[in-house]
Amino acid sequence: QSALTQPPSASGSPGQSVTISCTGTSSDIADYNYVSWYQQHPGRAPKLIIYEVSKRPSGVPDRFSGSKSGNTASLTVSGLQTEDEADYYCSSYIGTNPLIGGGTKLTVL
Amino acid sequence: EVQLVESGGGLVQPGGSLRLSCAASGFPFSNFWMHWVRQAPGKGLVWVARINTDGSSTSYADSVKGRFTISKDNVKNTLYLQMHNLRAEDTAVYFCARDGDYTLDHWGRGTLVTVSS
Repeated sequence: QSALTQPPSASGSPGQSVTISCTGTSSDIADYNYVSWYQQHPGRAPKLIIYEVSKRPSGVPDRFSGSKSGNTASLTVSGLQTEDEADYYCSSYIGTNPLIGGGTKLTVL
Repeated sequence: EVQLVESGGGLVQPGGSLRLSCAASGFPFSNFWMHWVRQAPGKGLVWVARINTDGSSTSYADSVKGRFTISKDNVKNTLYLQMHNLRAEDTAVYFCARDGDYTLDHWGRGTLVTVSS
């Protein structure tokens, strides 16, 4: 199975913007618009925050946005808040099975 | 409100078996594909298995193929994961998740499986 590569960590100060990348291959991210992003706070279940590259589920603040270029997807968190400190995972699909990135720990300084 | 509640985790010896359950409510369970995803202590999320709406099609990660079986009971609205020949590296929190058209749109809180002698 191929892997989705994320940086292990990212950080920013309150009010700033931070972007987390997710690099795949031509077989996953590049070919399909099925990129999702999940937020996970310690000890909690993952929560969907972005699907189909850039769509937000109901209730997710518009501070969270997603994009894609070629085989790299990105999650941008604008106007960082302390509660945004969490782990973030990207995902794409291979056929009908999800491929999940290694995760990025976002620290709000 | 969509709810997914896992149960069945616990301590098991290497080589042992365990069956996890995921009770679903708040949506038409029979209409949805479902997944199991696990997270080893301090590690990232790893997809484990997938099942289609009526259970006629399943798929597994290479690491569990031949040892784990995913199934669903559309009458009881419950997803299962039967695990055999458990190894230390299977120690993880196991989450069930609903497939909302190529995204995992709802997740349970997970159940911890510890494989140790």
